[in-house]
Amino acid sequence: DTEVTQTPKHLVMGMTNKKSLKCEQHMGHRAMYWYKQKAKKPPELMFVYSYEKLSINESVPSRFSPECPNSSLLNLHLHALQPEDSALYLCASSQWGNLDTQYFGPGTRLTVL
Amino acid sequence: ELKVEQNPLFLSMQEGKNYTIYCNYSTTSDRLYWYRQDPGKSLESLFVLLSNGAVKQEGRLMASLDTKARLSTLHITAAVHDLSATYFCAVDNNNNDMRFGAGTRLTVKP
Repeated sequence: DTEVTQTPKHLVMGMTNKKSLKCEQHMGHRAMYWYKQKAKKPPELMFVYSYEKLSINESVPSRFSPECPNSSLLNLHLHALQPEDSALYLCASSQWGNLDTQYFGPGTRLTVL
Repeated sequence: ELKVEQNPLFLSMQEGKNYTIYCNYSTTSDRLYWYRQDPGKSLESLFVLLSNGAVKQEGRLMASLDTKARLSTLHITAAVHDLSATYFCAVDNNNNDMRFGAGTRLTVKP
């Protein structure tokens, strides 16, 4: 299984809602990542989990809260988002940390109203 | 701060022609990545370049890395329509800080 899955594919939420994005991989990878990509822009690294520990936080606002329950799962909890947070959220995994070859999921397209 | 510059940002090619995309970066790095993204889709890893002078080829695409010049190139040989996509380079500055270039939007015309 060489696939990274993400749910949901699309999400529309209000600014007062709480929602979560989910990511799963069964490749035995020990590092997982969250990226944010605005339309026609490059991806921006948000969080890195290496061996289930958060190893970097790119000064992302606290309304985004990552969670890594185990080495196969990665969540991104969303609360009190702003319309400018609307974007494609991509999850990726790699065999080791250090940002080696990453396999990306299909993404969740988030719209904040 | 790590900066990554790609050029050109837009590239329109005729099928069968050759062209090169350039990626310059501002700080020392041992790792450079090339990705492809189709419209509305996720990213696909193309190449990982790990050392000075590294050259990798896959089909009509060839990537190289010159760490002294802080430059990577993605060369397209005899372009075909299926290569139309956005290509990103990305650089890891050995500090878990990974930055992407702005992307090159490639269109290959018949």
